[in-house]
Amino acid sequence: SQQGEEDPQALSIQEGENATMNCSYKTSINNLQWYRQNSGRGLVHLILIRSNEREKHSGRLRVTLDTSKKSSSLLITASRAADTASYFCATEGYSTLTFGKGTMLLVSP
Amino acid sequence: DVKVTQSSRYLVKRTGEKVFLECVQDMDHENMFWYRQDPGLGLRLIYFSYDVKMKEKGDIPEGYSVSREKKERFSLILESASTNQTSMYLCASSKWGARGSTEAFFGQGTRLTVV
Repeated sequence: SQQGEEDPQALSIQEGENATMNCSYKTSINNLQWYRQNSGRGLVHLILIRSNEREKHSGRLRVTLDTSKKSSSLLITASRAADTASYFCATEGYSTLTFGKGTMLLVSP
Repeated sequence: DVKVTQSSRYLVKRTGEKVFLECVQDMDHENMFWYRQDPGLGLRLIYFSYDVKMKEKGDIPEGYSVSREKKERFSLILESASTNQTSMYLCASSKWGARGSTEAFFGQGTRLTVV
């Protein structure tokens, strides 16, 4: 069963705009991770946030985690065409990673 | 540079064939995973392994088996390939830390077509 559910399924924005993707999950987690996948390729890890953390930054990425609501958000600021990809959240529990279906982000020049 | 390598990028097999997908990692990671990815369904876990010779079923293990004889290698076996196993297969590895798994590293994927 899939733990995380991303929202929206697809997002289309212009370069320079911010992109926000959300993830909801169902059970307790050790950590939550975000990954990016360029078309037809493997996934690349972006950021990991632990269950006792509320916010984390990495470059243009900002991730928040609300364990009371079982939700997380990924914000990409000042987006670029190169950010066009699918983004997945993954929840970690008992050494497995469970992924959602992803958000497809299209950034137009 | 850390690396997870899958043996094939593209593979075409016939229905009923026994298919081996190989994955090797060079990071001394304890955990290794096999996922399949299908449009609209995201990534679904087939099997994972947290140590040599150890394996655990994921969400969709039917029709698959795995082998982990060495720490760096995790093989996915389709005992008798069927057309509904046409998919993108992704291997990943991660380290087991004090507070759960760390980030996972993925291979480039194997796009398997069963005809």
